[in-house]
Amino acid sequence: DTGVSQNPRHKITKRGQNVTFRCDPISEHNRLYWYRQTLGQGPEFLTYFQNEAQLEKSRLLSDRFSAERPKGSFSTLEIQRTEQGDSAMYLCASSATGYEQYFGPGTRLTVT
Amino acid sequence: AQSVTQLDSQVPVFEEAPVELRCNYSSSVSVYLFWYVQYPNQGLQLLLKYLSGSTLVESINGFEAEFNKSQTSFHLRKPSVHISDTAEYFCAVSESGAAGNKLTFGGGTRVLVKP
Repeated sequence: DTGVSQNPRHKITKRGQNVTFRCDPISEHNRLYWYRQTLGQGPEFLTYFQNEAQLEKSRLLSDRFSAERPKGSFSTLEIQRTEQGDSAMYLCASSATGYEQYFGPGTRLTVT
Repeated sequence: AQSVTQLDSQVPVFEEAPVELRCNYSSSVSVYLFWYVQYPNQGLQLLLKYLSGSTLVESINGFEAEFNKSQTSFHLRKPSVHISDTAEYFCAVSESGAAGNKLTFGGGTRVLVKP
């Protein structure tokens, strides 16, 4: 059990560019979550996968955001046409039961 | 929809003194309750959880939290803090019985332990 990993750890991009983040969950965890945390705030739920199915999306997830989990393993979160308001820490968590979510270290996005 | 309020954004405390971090939630359905800790430059770690049963739950490093349904609270306490407890603490809830158990977090309480 190597824990949840996220790549890259930091991303700096210019406004209007597309970015993609990757999350590798704990092996055999069938549930995977994405959250966003802005400075001074608690994390906010973005979306949830059970296996490869995306079962819930927050209204925070605008049309510029898309997430996938092909084959129910790793997941990617893509942001198209980034805006300065997208600057945040993007957190991934995985769970076997849903009751205990294990978080990765996060990807910090800075949009200039 | 649920919401979580952490009443204190920062709590300075001296080493070996007790600390209490307050958490109140709002929900129209039954909830599960969690405390997560985030040490500097690290990810969120689950500190303790309440799912059912005894309303007093404990962690391995001396923290405890008590679920109070009538007051919709889940305050976190430690009788004697160490320098290593310096971190940000987040209270979170999820809807019991929901398929995904997505978490709703409070704004966090930053604990600074002074020698």
